[in-house]
Amino acid sequence: EADIYQTPRYLVIGTGKKITLECSQTMGHDKMYWYQQDPGMELHLIHYSYGVNSTEKGDLSSESTVSRIRTEHFPLTLESARPSHTSQYLCASSAGQGAKSVGTYEQYFGPGTRLTVT
Amino acid sequence: KNQVEQSPQSLIILEGKNCTLQCNYTVSPFSNLRWYKQDTGRGPVSLTIMTFSENTKSNGRYTATLDADTKQSSLHITASQLSDSASYICVVSDRGSTLGRLYFGRGTQLTVWP
Repeated sequence: EADIYQTPRYLVIGTGKKITLECSQTMGHDKMYWYQQDPGMELHLIHYSYGVNSTEKGDLSSESTVSRIRTEHFPLTLESARPSHTSQYLCASSAGQGAKSVGTYEQYFGPGTRLTVT
Repeated sequence: KNQVEQSPQSLIILEGKNCTLQCNYTVSPFSNLRWYKQDTGRGPVSLTIMTFSENTKSNGRYTATLDADTKQSSLHITASQLSDSASYICVVSDRGSTLGRLYFGRGTQLTVWP
């Protein structure tokens, strides 16, 4: 079992609230990722990081933001939640340093956060 | 356009039976192909990873095959168990960009009945 954790596991929140989804890993991985997944659909990359102070947007446009101040921690923030943000958010990490091909390394996923915005 | 297509979309089998899941991809240039198992409400867990030169790889009752010429892969599950009920996701990585991004299929939802 991978040592990557996400909190909360489930979150129901009203429109307009600010939320932060937490992700942490104890494997010392430099690369971390956030994916969004709707039921029956493929995972979409929304943010990734090569290391501390490095963050990039992924393929799917997202109103969320991320930060990477510590190697083990990669939180995702939504300043003003909307019903369209309702989804499952998965955090992952992988080994490898710098801006090298992430496809070479195994990605380890956290259990996910199921977000519902009412 | 780089894509990963999986079939069938869903599958129901009886406990103890075998099944085969299919994955076709158009990702190029190809780096590797992975199969993940995702239990409901959980994150994906890797089952196998295969590079261009590998055409079969096993992990217990799971056996993955790869035909890089036809760009097809299959995942064979032997003697299915109730715990095999999950979504099985095919993921293909390219090596044509710095990121070496991953392309995800939508998964095959497998249900094993007692």
